[in-house]
Amino acid sequence: NAGVTQTPKFQVLKTGQSMTLQCAQDMNHNSMYWYRQDPGMGLRLIYYSASEGTTDKGEVPNGYNVSRLNKREFSLRLESAAPSQTSVYFCALGKGSSYEQYFGPGTRLTVT
Amino acid sequence: GENVEQHPSTLSVQEGDSAVIKCTYSDSASNYFPWYKQELGKGPQLIIDIRSNVGEKKDQRIAVTLNKTAKHFSLHITETQPEDSAVYFCAASTAGNEKLTFGTGTRLTIIP
Repeated sequence: NAGVTQTPKFQVLKTGQSMTLQCAQDMNHNSMYWYRQDPGMGLRLIYYSASEGTTDKGEVPNGYNVSRLNKREFSLRLESAAPSQTSVYFCALGKGSSYEQYFGPGTRLTVT
Repeated sequence: GENVEQHPSTLSVQEGDSAVIKCTYSDSASNYFPWYKQELGKGPQLIIDIRSNVGEKKDQRIAVTLNKTAKHFSLHITETQPEDSAVYFCAASTAGNEKLTFGTGTRLTIIP
């Protein structure tokens, strides 16, 4: 997972609390992505950013917001956490469509 | 949108035997098909990919085949080793589309 860092690695929240998951890269790629991984569901795209200052919704955006203030960082915010958001969250980056994506080590989030 | 189905969900093979994982996709415009390997506690990592202008690609013990007419592609691992034990994901995307749609994963266990 070299080149992609995610913080924190683990987090426990209570229902209604908010938090921001951070992702940073040093690979100078334009595209960055946020996925969630749930048992039996594979990886589902939450939001993506094709370039600095632009973001678009993925398959499961409800309950999340994102921010891409610069090329290096892409953050995911949960404004009011719900138990359904218990998951492992992965940040990824890439050159764009039809190219390899590089995944970070993940953040394991539990909402009680 | 694109839908990717992956089978089987679990697979156990004797060390040294071959393993085959199959995926089907729905969007005939899809042109990029990567395979990712995810080890326990880590993010997915690309192991091989294929584009729609070729039918087969090999990299040492790993190969991927693509049948565009039938809209399916497969991962073949020969001479399996214990370190091949992991979860494998297939995915598909179309040109100009940032979104990568993943299958639900196959847990491969190599029996010593």
